Amino acid sequence: GQQLNQSPQSMFIQEGEDVSMNCTSSSIFNTWLWYKQDPGEGPVLLIALYKAGELTSNGRLTAQFGITRKDSFLNISASIPSDVGIYFCAGQIGSSASKIIFGSGTRLSIRP
Amino acid sequence: GAVVSQHPSWVICKSGTSVKIECRSLDFQATTMFWYRQFPKQSLMLMATSNEGSKATYEQGVEKDKFLINHASLTLSTLTVTSAHPEDSSFYICSARDVVGQDYYGYTFGSGTRLTVV
Repeated sequence: GQQLNQSPQSMFIQEGEDVSMNCTSSSIFNTWLWYKQDPGEGPVLLIALYKAGELTSNGRLTAQFGITRKDSFLNISASIPSDVGIYFCAGQIGSSASKIIFGSGTRLSIRP
Repeated sequence: GAVVSQHPSWVICKSGTSVKIECRSLDFQATTMFWYRQFPKQSLMLMATSNEGSKATYEQGVEKDKFLINHASLTLSTLTVTSAHPEDSSFYICSARDVVGQDYYGYTFGSGTRLTVV
């Protein structure tokens, strides 16, 4: 089945540093989504990407939909303690009504 | 914005009993809802797609007789874990597709239900 390979698996960085994580797949996706999940909560959508090459920002977060439609990255600039959590990439192969497939997640920890 | 309410947030049940989890879209109608389960430190795995007024579509390897899904209205889907066993202990999360007219606002997730079977 379709798989999303997300890396890195975990990151332990200094507050104020920039963060970068990415997702790749052997399948072509029509939509890329980035979510953040806090412990004991459901995922919250950060950024949605709908077109190849699209670069979208949400505050300190920036994500891009790869040209090949098989990859995406998420950058977080000037990290702060509340950025701690698990970040998931997710994608849809079909239409916007199709199921979402999740990556394995990136656990972000920050040293104050 | 769109809100999905999931209830209960946590439940402990005895082995062999059944547990029902509700997923409600509070300010929008959802013809399609999705049910996921998540084991500790793992990703979300799609279990089934819940369609209003019709049978749910289950992912490969998910027992439909074990995980009963009912989507009787445009704002409510329920997942019943029947004859629960300790291996069913997990974090169950629902999501609903928020669509207004032709616009697509994405999927909204509930806050999850922590099921512990003892």
